Amino acid sequence: ETGVTQSPTHLIKTRGQQVTLRCSSQSGHNTVSWYQQALGQGPQFIFQYYREEENGRGNFPPRFSGLQFPNYSSELNVNALELDDSALYLCASRVGGGANTGELFFGEGSRLTVL
Amino acid sequence: EDQVTQSPEALRLQEGESSSLNCSYTVSGLRGLFWYRQDPGKGPEFLFTLYSAGEEKEKERLKATLTKKESFLHITAPKPEDSATYLCAGGDTGRRALTFGSGTRLQVQP
Repeated sequence: ETGVTQSPTHLIKTRGQQVTLRCSSQSGHNTVSWYQQALGQGPQFIFQYYREEENGRGNFPPRFSGLQFPNYSSELNVNALELDDSALYLCASRVGGGANTGELFFGEGSRLTVL
Repeated sequence: EDQVTQSPEALRLQEGESSSLNCSYTVSGLRGLFWYRQDPGKGPEFLFTLYSAGEEKEKERLKATLTKKESFLHITAPKPEDSATYLCAGGDTGRRALTFGSGTRLQVQP
């Protein structure tokens, strides 16, 4: 069974640039969510995708956007990068897109540094 | 506003010295209280889900318990390999999300 994989593992961008992070969900999982984890903090929910539609969103501005593809993989896009966007971005997958959050399986994350 | 608070922020134990981590929560539409373990540079790893006050779950040296306002993670006779950050989260049915606390960094010394 293949777990959640994310790419790239590390990247450095400058303020104002755009970034795309990628995630392949665990086999059989149709729901993908993204979390932002600042250093020393717990993960913060960005959004969730189920059946290629966003069906839940946290307190993040519209410059954070995403996609889910028919094979359930996903992308997180961040436009107009700010210094505070520096963080570990975690992708998590699970079965079912309903309200019951259930057990999430996390990838190892993409570490973004904005200079 | 949904909030999950964990204490202590950091805990240093000697091998074999039992202790408890605390998680207090106020999450509207709460559906489940979750515990995760996170090693440095890794994503969180699922440990337990608790749904009802009074529920308990165990895994090796860890036991999680739940009341109406708090959850505890009890660590019995810890070993150095138990060193990690332990995260608590409330399941929010409205946003279909987990609201995480900031975690407790546990260090177990041999």
